[in-house]
Amino acid sequence: NAGVTQTPKFRILKIGQSMTLQCTQDMNHNYMYWYRQDPGMGLKLIYYSVGAGITDKGEVPNGYNVSRSTTEDFPLRLELAAPSQTSVYFCASSYGQRPSTDTQYFGPGTRLTVL
Amino acid sequence: KQEVTQIPAALSVPEGENLVLNCSFTDSAIYNLQWFRQDPGKGLTSLLLIQSSQREQTSGRLNASLDKSSGRSTLYIAASQPGDSATYLCAVTTSGTYKYIFGTGTRLKVLA
Repeated sequence: NAGVTQTPKFRILKIGQSMTLQCTQDMNHNYMYWYRQDPGMGLKLIYYSVGAGITDKGEVPNGYNVSRSTTEDFPLRLELAAPSQTSVYFCASSYGQRPSTDTQYFGPGTRLTVL
Repeated sequence: KQEVTQIPAALSVPEGENLVLNCSFTDSAIYNLQWFRQDPGKGLTSLLLIQSSQREQTSGRLNASLDKSSGRSTLYIAASQPGDSATYLCAVTTSGTYKYIFGTGTRLKVLA
């Protein structure tokens, strides 16, 4: 049982390049989330998904896209990388059955630098 | 709009001391509040989850309390150890959503 896995761990992009951050969970969780964490800050929600085929915007969705074709996978796409997207990106998942008791499980993060 | 604040931003204490971390939120209509631990360069690990109907939760040397009416939670760490050194984040889920709003964290250093 690996939990939530993310790839890659580190990446450096040039301005204007695109990339996909991968996230996979093996806990059969319905809900999945993408956050970004800037230095010294808390986490900001980018996008989330309540099940396969359903996604919605969080607090900071601009410049990102997501898809959820399976329960396990929730990739995050950056189309035109900008320096403002330099951050650490965390994927998380939760069962999603009862919000009052729903614990989120986090992946180890992807550290992205855009130069 | 829900906002979550954590004070202090950083804290340094000698080993063995009992300490309290604070978390405040602006909208009391929450499903739950969760405390997380984050080690440098790592992801977040859930420590305690308090449902909106609960007043406190305990796990080992950790005790978290929730006062919804005043918009506050505290994380009490008893007999602190150097291994407790990490950043502690609180997050709330506002009623009607499954979205967590995070505070900026308290960076704790326990000195041996």
